[in-house]
Amino acid sequence: AQKVTQAQTEISVVEKEDVTLDCVYETRDTTYYLFWYKQPPSGELVFLIRRNSFDEQNEISGRYSWNFQKSTSSFNFTITASQVVDSAVYFCALSDLNAGNNRKLIWGLGTSLAVNP
Amino acid sequence: GAVVSQHPSRVICKSGTSVKIECRSLDFQATTMFWYRQFPKKSLMLMATSNEGSKATYEQGVEKDKFLINHASLTLSTLTVTSAHPEDSSFYICSARSGTPNTEAFFGQGTRLTVV
Repeated sequence: AQKVTQAQTEISVVEKEDVTLDCVYETRDTTYYLFWYKQPPSGELVFLIRRNSFDEQNEISGRYSWNFQKSTSSFNFTITASQVVDSAVYFCALSDLNAGNNRKLIWGLGTSLAVNP
Repeated sequence: GAVVSQHPSRVICKSGTSVKIECRSLDFQATTMFWYRQFPKKSLMLMATSNEGSKATYEQGVEKDKFLINHASLTLSTLTVTSAHPEDSSFYICSARSGTPNTEAFFGQGTRLTVV
C-alpha cells in the first residue's frame, strides 16, 4: 500500500538555524510523484514542489532545498537560515497512480515547524 | 501559481441547517476538484473527487447524501453540508487541478465550519 511517513510531528528551532523535515514514502509504482505543501496558520495550503520519480536531482529554490533519494525512499526538505515566517505545518504527499484520472494524493501527517525569534 | 478561491472562509450555522461552500478556479479550468476535511492538528482527509459534469466519487465512509458535491462547470464546485450537526464542525478545503493527473493541485483558503 502507498504510504507517506513524516516522523517528526513538531520541530522547534531558533531563527537562522537550518532545519530538515523528513519524508519517507512507500509505493509499488515505478512512476510516481512527490509533493511538498506548506500550511501556514491561516489554513491555506501552498504548493512548494513536485518531483517525479525519474528525476533524482536535488532542487534548490532560495532558502528551500529538497533531497530526493530513491534508494532510501526519502524526499527530505531543508530550510536554510530559517525565518519566523517559515512557521507552518509542512505536508509531504505522494501521488496515487492507480486511481486513473482521479489521481489522489496520499498525505503524510505533517510536521509542525515553529521558528522562534 | 494558479488561484483557487474558496468561500466563505468562516461560517457558523445552527444544527439542522445546510451550508454551501463554493470553490472557484480563477485563472484556469479545473477538470478535477477535490474536497478535503481537516481536523485540528491532523492531516487532510480526502472526502471526494469530482470531475466537471460528472457525479463525484466519494471516499469510503463519506456520506454522499450528507455532503453533496456539484461540479457544474470547469471553474466552480460546491460542497453542501446538509442537516449539519456539531460533529460536522471542521475545516474544509477544496483543491483544483487542470490538465493531466500529474499536475499539481492548488488549494483554496479553506472554510472553517462551526455548527452550534
